[in-house]
Amino acid sequence: NAGVTQTPKFRILKIGQSMTLQCTQDMNHNYMYWYRQDPGMGLKLIYYSVGAGITDKGEVPNGYNVSRSTTEDFPLRLELAAPSQTSVYFCASSYRTSGANVLTFGAGSRLTVL
Amino acid sequence: KQEVTQIPAALSVPEGENLVLNCSFTDSAIYNLQWFRQDPGKGLTSLLLIQSSQREQTSGRLNASLDKSSGRSTLYIAASQPGDSATYLCAVSNAGGTSYGKLTFGQGTILTVHP
Repeated sequence: NAGVTQTPKFRILKIGQSMTLQCTQDMNHNYMYWYRQDPGMGLKLIYYSVGAGITDKGEVPNGYNVSRSTTEDFPLRLELAAPSQTSVYFCASSYRTSGANVLTFGAGSRLTVL
Repeated sequence: KQEVTQIPAALSVPEGENLVLNCSFTDSAIYNLQWFRQDPGKGLTSLLLIQSSQREQTSGRLNASLDKSSGRSTLYIAASQPGDSATYLCAVSNAGGTSYGKLTFGQGTILTVHP
């Protein structure tokens, strides 16, 4: 059982380039999330999805786009990379039990924009 | 807007000590509070989840308490071990509408346990 798989683990981009961070989960979870973590800070929610075909903005969505065409996949797209997007990105998925969502996180993708 | 603060930012203790990590949040209208562990270069691992109606949760040497009215939670680690060295993150799921498991995180406490 792989859980939540993120690719790539590391990437360096030039300003203005675009790229997609991939996220796949094999637990049949309905809910999926993208967070970013800046050095010495907590995680901030970028986008989330409650099921295939449904996405919504989180706290810091500017500069990013997402799609959810299947239950398993939730890619994050950066269209015009900026130095402010240098961060570690975490994908997570969750199921709901007893009134709470139990999250499983991927290992993270470290992105540097130069 | 919910804000979560963790104190201290870093903590270094000798092996065997009991220790307390603190978390405070500004809006008491929460569904639940979770404590996570983050190892360097790794993702987050859930340690304990406390529902808003609960006062505490225990797992092995870990005990987490919640005082929702005062906006505080503590994570107590008994008999600390070098393997406990990691960053510990506190996160709340805000009430009001449907939370969908969206979390607001604190900045974390970096714990180092010396042999």
